[in-house]
Amino acid sequence: EVQLVESGGGLVKPGESLRLSCAASGFTFSNAWMTWVRQAPGKGLEWLGCIKSKSDGETAEYAAPVKGRFFISRDDSKNTLFLQMNSLKTEDTAVYYCSTTYYYAAGRVDWGQGTLVTVSS
Amino acid sequence: EIVLTQSPATLSLSPGERATLSCRASQSVSSSLAWYQQKPGQAPRLVMYDASNRATGIPVRFSGSGSGTDFTLTISSLEPEDFAVYYCQQRSTRPLTFGGGTKVEI
Repeated sequence: EVQLVESGGGLVKPGESLRLSCAASGFTFSNAWMTWVRQAPGKGLEWLGCIKSKSDGETAEYAAPVKGRFFISRDDSKNTLFLQMNSLKTEDTAVYYCSTTYYYAAGRVDWGQGTLVTVSS
Repeated sequence: EIVLTQSPATLSLSPGERATLSCRASQSVSSSLAWYQQKPGQAPRLVMYDASNRATGIPVRFSGSGSGTDFTLTISSLEPEDFAVYYCQQRSTRPLTFGGGTKVEI
């Protein structure tokens, strides 16, 4: 069974940094492209970025609002995905989800339960 | 980036009625469109992928159609558990983008 468990959320002040983690199990993490999506309170879903598998180059791509401030990385030895968030703004307040389309061809997208990040002074 | 526009924003229906949700893309996404269902406090759940393929475990009352720029998600006869917010997402071009959502409410 696929499990994705995010952690690292919390309350931070504007301008500060935070690193989120997503622990993965139940699939071959090293072969998976991984994605971060967020949802501000009462708002819709926002794709933040993704990181390719090592065999596909392990490069990351980002949405414009976070490019240059957020960085996605992975540790395949620990089956863990990371989201480094720098220069946080109040508008970054949201629930942050990791997800994988590892089983997309079989009609599945797996999501974590989300972790709340609150940016407030 | 590709902008997805969903309509209507809210759909007020009763159990047993038919729901028709629309998603329009600012440029062609071929058939690379997915639909998600989200209930309060839960992560999104894939409902439809590649425009017209039901995701794992999704009942046959859900169907999807369209290609290019215009897509439709249809729920033939609403069940109580179908009342939720539905989002479309284009998977054609990065950055992947979501529509603003359609709330299906009683």
